[in-house]
Amino acid sequence: DIQMTQSPSSLSASEGDIVTITCRASQIIRSSLNWYQVKPGKAPKLLVYGASNLHSGAPSKFTGSGSGTDFTLIVSSLQPEDFATYYCQQTYSAPYTFGQGTKLEI
Amino acid sequence: QVQLQESGPGLVKPSETLSLTCTVSGGSISTYYWSWIRQPPGKALEWLGYIFYSGTTTYNPSLKSRVTMSVDTSKNQFSLKLTSVTAADTAVYYCARTPVLFGLYYFDLWGQGTLVTVSS
Repeated sequence: DIQMTQSPSSLSASEGDIVTITCRASQIIRSSLNWYQVKPGKAPKLLVYGASNLHSGAPSKFTGSGSGTDFTLIVSSLQPEDFATYYCQQTYSAPYTFGQGTKLEI
Repeated sequence: QVQLQESGPGLVKPSETLSLTCTVSGGSISTYYWSWIRQPPGKALEWLGYIFYSGTTTYNPSLKSRVTMSVDTSKNQFSLKLTSVTAADTAVYYCARTPVLFGLYYFDLWGQGTLVTVSS
């Protein structure tokens, strides 16, 4: 299975900040990398697919980049609704695997 | 708009079978793949597998032969069965729509999730 490693596992930030979350795959996955936002009791939301494509309905404050094994999600101008847990996921080969998550806290 | 809703028992006894259904409303189940994902308390997301509307399936090998997925296009529903459950199967279970774009799979629409606890 392809292992996905996110860093940091938790991150403290303030409203208005810009934060960067990284995700590393254990082997080359080209651009088969998606990012999700998860909040307790809510349906998870797709933010970015294919490493850098912003999902329709996701705010433009989310920017994904990278290819191969190293990927980045940048969240700009943090607002209260952005504090959540973020997961990367590879869909290069099954079983599709997620990172361990990055909890973004105030 | 399209919505997904998981349903099923919230409590299952050890060694029994966990059964969940995902109902798709506001759109057709046809054309897409449909996935099941779970999240044990305090742990990361785990993809369990997906089913195409035609019935073709791909499962996570970690579940070995315990998992079965099915689809009922007449009811716009797809289902998950997980046999011989243990406490390790306690999790929030999500269903998700899984489009494919030039070979890239992604989960663009999710249900709210349902907590299933395995306990006697």
